[in-house]
Amino acid sequence: DAMVIQNPRYQVTQFGKPVTLSCSQTLNHNVMYWYQQKSSQAPKLLFHYYDKDFNNEADTPDNFQSRRPNTSFCFLDIRSPGLGDAAMYLCATSRTSGSYEQYFGPGTRLTVT
Amino acid sequence: AQSVAQPEDQVNVAEGNPLTVKCTYSVSGNPYLFWYVQYPNRGLQFLLKYITGDNLVKGSYGFEAEFNKSQTSFHLKKPSALVSDSALYFCAVRDTNTGGFKTIFGAGTRLFVKA
Repeated sequence: DAMVIQNPRYQVTQFGKPVTLSCSQTLNHNVMYWYQQKSSQAPKLLFHYYDKDFNNEADTPDNFQSRRPNTSFCFLDIRSPGLGDAAMYLCATSRTSGSYEQYFGPGTRLTVT
Repeated sequence: AQSVAQPEDQVNVAEGNPLTVKCTYSVSGNPYLFWYVQYPNRGLQFLLKYITGDNLVKGSYGFEAEFNKSQTSFHLKKPSALVSDSALYFCAVRDTNTGGFKTIFGAGTRLFVKA
């Protein structure tokens, strides 16, 4: 089945220690998104890619970076995690035509110690 | 500004009873409306959408939603709730002001279905 995969599902990192979260998709969608979600709140968009075109949200901290080496893969890099970065990180994809509904991965829950 | 409101933080319903989760929206132009469901420790899952056409939209797991243009609402409904429907539900609208790739999510409504 076509899907969005996130690894790892759970990640523990130390305060200030860089961490990378990964996302892959078999849907062949042009657009990939990274969201941060805290405590059952609405997902907060960090950035999205339209193919290789990177679009950063104005309020996304510089501590968060992303890479998309090809259509299938996208990475979220947190350069110096703080305690406030502990959250669920969700990857999603969508088409560039039609109704634009998004398909989400299962998420990576990040703990910062 | 485009926005989505879910006026209820929580909805409680008994199993077998009908359920409604409310959503109102504010958009410029024609709305693209969505409902997503999130189970514990999982990503969001697309349930249904309204783009155009019939005001009653049917989706996954027996859910449906009614688009009401005059009331700018898009309420999620199910005729008979199941305990397994207990989850967090998000209403969302496509953000047409930003080229269409972004989605504005409501704050979410937690549904509890009691056996």
